[in-house]
Amino acid sequence: GAVVSQHPSWVICKSGTSVKIECRSLDFQATTMFWYRQFPKQSLMLMATSNEGSKATYEQGVEKDKFLINHASLTLSTLTVTSAHPEDSSFYICSARDRWDRRSYNEQFFGPGTRLTVL
Amino acid sequence: AQSVTQLDSHVSVSEGTPVLLRCNYSSSYSPSLFWYVQHPNKGLQLLLKYTSAATLVKGINGFEAEFKKSETSFHLTKPSAHMSDAAEYFCVVSEFSFGNQGGKLIFGQGTELSVKP
Repeated sequence: GAVVSQHPSWVICKSGTSVKIECRSLDFQATTMFWYRQFPKQSLMLMATSNEGSKATYEQGVEKDKFLINHASLTLSTLTVTSAHPEDSSFYICSARDRWDRRSYNEQFFGPGTRLTVL
Repeated sequence: AQSVTQLDSHVSVSEGTPVLLRCNYSSSYSPSLFWYVQHPNKGLQLLLKYTSAATLVKGINGFEAEFKKSETSFHLTKPSAHMSDAAEYFCVVSEFSFGNQGGKLIFGQGTELSVKP
C-alpha cells in the first residue's frame, strides 16, 4: 500500500516551453502533497505544499508563477514548469500524506521522481 | 525550529563490516524522525521511523536506529554492509502539526554510503 507515482519519469524539452509533471497517490487519498527539487549530490529542497481544493503554499524563494501547482483531486497534484530554462533542469520529487492518517508524525510517501532536462 | 545535521557527507565501508551513519537533530518538542535511502536517480524509500514508541527502531534490510534524547541523536546502523547498501541516506525530522494539516519534513544534507568489495 501507500504507493505514489509520477509521470513522466523523465522529460527533455526546449527552452521556453512548459512541462507538466503529474503526481498520483494510487491506493490512498491525499489532501496534502509536497513538491521537492533535488540537484545532483544534494538534499531535497521543499518547493511547495499542495492542498486539495486550495492554493499551494510556496517556500520562500520559489516563484509561484514559474512553478504552477494544481491539486484538483484527492489523488492527483500537478506541477507545471512554465517557460522552462536550462537552470530549471533538475530532479523533481513529489510526496503525499494519507488523508486519514491522524497521527502527528507526518509520514510522507514519495514518488519515484521526474528528471527534467531543458535544452 | 527543528533542524537535522548529518555529521558525515560520505562514509566508506568494506562489505561485511558494520555501518554507522550519524544524525543529530534539534527540536523543541518530542520529534518524529525518519531515515530514508535513495539509490541513484530513484525516489526515496523509508528505512525506518521513530514516533515516540520504542527508542530502538528496527527497519528494513537489517538497518536499525536508536533515539537518544540526551544526545539528540538518531544514528543509523547495520551490523554487516552489503554491496546493495551503497546509496544516499537522509535523516529527516518531521515538523509538528495538528491533525492532517501541514507537517513539513526537514531533511539532512545526506550521507553517501560506499561499500567496497
